[in-house]
Amino acid sequence: EDQVTQSPEALRLQEGESSSLNCSYTVSGLRGLFWYRQDPGKGPEFLFTLYSAGEEKEKERLKATLTKKESFLHITAPKPEDSATYLCAVQPAQGSGTYKYIFGTGTRLKVLA
Amino acid sequence: NAGVMQNPRHLVRRRGQEARLRCSPMKGHSHVYWYRQLPEEGLKFMVYLQKENIIDESGMPKERFSAEFPKEGPSILRIQQVVRGDSAAYFCASSPGGGVREQYFGPGTRLTVT
Repeated sequence: EDQVTQSPEALRLQEGESSSLNCSYTVSGLRGLFWYRQDPGKGPEFLFTLYSAGEEKEKERLKATLTKKESFLHITAPKPEDSATYLCAVQPAQGSGTYKYIFGTGTRLKVLA
Repeated sequence: NAGVMQNPRHLVRRRGQEARLRCSPMKGHSHVYWYRQLPEEGLKFMVYLQKENIIDESGMPKERFSAEFPKEGPSILRIQQVVRGDSAAYFCASSPGGGVREQYFGPGTRLTVT
């Protein structure tokens, strides 16, 4: 069964304290892995797409990496405005042509000033 | 340059009533996805549609739920005879298709069943 697990469930950091969020996945074939940010009461906001092991993407203080079994979202010198829930999703490669996502339950990040 | 639009943003229904949730995809997008987010749970896929076609409804409950994406107008998720367990946030996402894999999400509709 296709599955996505994110850890930790919650993370509190001091401003400037770098850390990493983990997303491990089990899927029969991977079409893509996606990172989103979700603020309370809002819809997920797209951050990154990763397609193959070894790939890296970077945006401001965020960097996403991918291996064959997991992805990491590295946050360098975070600021309070980086506080949000970070969601990981995989898109299985299925012959039926569906493009659905399978989401993890997210990591709730709180950055303290 | 409007993003994905959903309405209403908040919807309150009594048990047994019908709920209709609307989603207008981003301009140029022809693929629509519906997801449900229950409290303290992750987003769960419900249905994937293209114009006038349901492509994958493997996540839809077998009864009371239906979805459509007509040639003209928004996509609609319809829940008949709502029950308390239907209370959740319902998100719509769209993509342009043609091999582009990223999905862009709307702000969601928060359904409360009393």
